[in-house]
Amino acid sequence: DAGVIQSPRHEVTEMGQEVTLRCKPISGHNSLFWYRQTMMRGLELLIYFNNNVPIDDSGMPEDRFSAKMPNASFSTLKIQPSEPRDSAVYFCASSPRDLGADTQYFGPGTRLTVL
Amino acid sequence: GQNIDQPTEMTATEGAIVQINCTYQTSGFNGLFWYQQHAGEAPTFLSYNVLDGLEEKGRFSSFLSRSKGYSYLLLKELQMKDSASYLCVSSSGGYQKVTFGTGTKLQVIP
Repeated sequence: DAGVIQSPRHEVTEMGQEVTLRCKPISGHNSLFWYRQTMMRGLELLIYFNNNVPIDDSGMPEDRFSAKMPNASFSTLKIQPSEPRDSAVYFCASSPRDLGADTQYFGPGTRLTVL
Repeated sequence: GQNIDQPTEMTATEGAIVQINCTYQTSGFNGLFWYQQHAGEAPTFLSYNVLDGLEEKGRFSSFLSRSKGYSYLLLKELQMKDSASYLCVSSSGGYQKVTFGTGTKLQVIP
């Protein structure tokens, strides 16, 4: 199994640009999560999907952030427009069943730098 | 609301035992995870406690007291590769939402 796949691994962009992060969960997993990690705030849950449906997006910082899961094997996290304070490592994770009840498997992360 | 407290940093000697404590205040609490995260890498699962008591898994053990809102991770026979951050994570609510602590950075020294 290839594990959770994220792309790109690194992204450097300028303030105001649109950024799209991509995630392919482990095949057969029903839940998908997007996290953001910074030194100051640690790991924060942004949004999670169960069976491709967004269940809780209360962690999404503001309207500049949006996430989609058009099918069971692909999800995107978009930031538009990006700001320097969005610089962080963004992790995608998947789990076999419901949130919390099972181990979450994390992807390698995307390190985003907004100049 | 959800609140998790754990020490920011700890240092221990190779071969020794270290205990990383975590207290939580979580409404609708379901269970407590511990994850390990090496620098520059993604978190990986270590343990999940639902019931009170100690669960042992090799060199790592995890303890939970639901009435006290307290958990600890015990690492025995420390190895240099155990240097990492250890994240205490609570699961709560009907959808079992997870909340991550900020992590305890453990440094193992020779």
